[in-house]
Amino acid sequence: GAVVSQHPSRVICKSGTSVKIECRSLDFQATTMFWYRQFPKQSLMLMATSNEGSKATYEQGVEKDKFLINHASLTLSTLTVTSAHPEDSSFYICSARGGNQETQYFGPGTRLLVL
Amino acid sequence: LAKTTQPISMDSYEGQEVNITCSHNNIATNDYITWYQQFPSQGPRFIIQGYKTKVTNEVASLFIPADRKSSTLSLPRVSLSDTAVYYCLVGDIAGGYQKVTFGTGTKLQVIP
Repeated sequence: GAVVSQHPSRVICKSGTSVKIECRSLDFQATTMFWYRQFPKQSLMLMATSNEGSKATYEQGVEKDKFLINHASLTLSTLTVTSAHPEDSSFYICSARGGNQETQYFGPGTRLLVL
Repeated sequence: LAKTTQPISMDSYEGQEVNITCSHNNIATNDYITWYQQFPSQGPRFIIQGYKTKVTNEVASLFIPADRKSSTLSLPRVSLSDTAVYYCLVGDIAGGYQKVTFGTGTKLQVIP
């Protein structure tokens, strides 16, 4: 149980385009989802926390207008990187927590490369 | 948020028991301790979680002293496939989840 999926697993896009990443909890309802970013050889950095049906809470330094998060259902959250630039190239990872679960479970990650 | 401190890296031979200790001096009453394993280009994988004393599952044991200011992840008889980065996280997960912050993690290298 407690499986989280992400789609796509890898994406390459041109600078200036927008990219949407989906995060799904497959076998539980996720009341809270988290989005992280990880650069090579570094730890995960929390970008934002989203609760179903409400606006996401962004960490300091993360532009909410650039990284749009939607948590429209209990099993799906999306992260849209708008007007992507090469410096946005990174490994994006989501995690989800259900109402009765005492931990968060992570997705497999999405590798974004902006050319 | 409780900050965690772990060794940056560790080496171990195959078949040995590995103990990774994490310090979290300002852990709060409602905080749980969770350990994750991460392989390159993959999301972190849940290993074990505990609040106090000892927790054991099929892959690891977690030892937490009475003052809860540290915790030790114990991996029995490691194999080459256990080479990964191990993260210790501390956070309030009861009654409304609070975000947690990843520390640097410990890069474990298992040697043949």
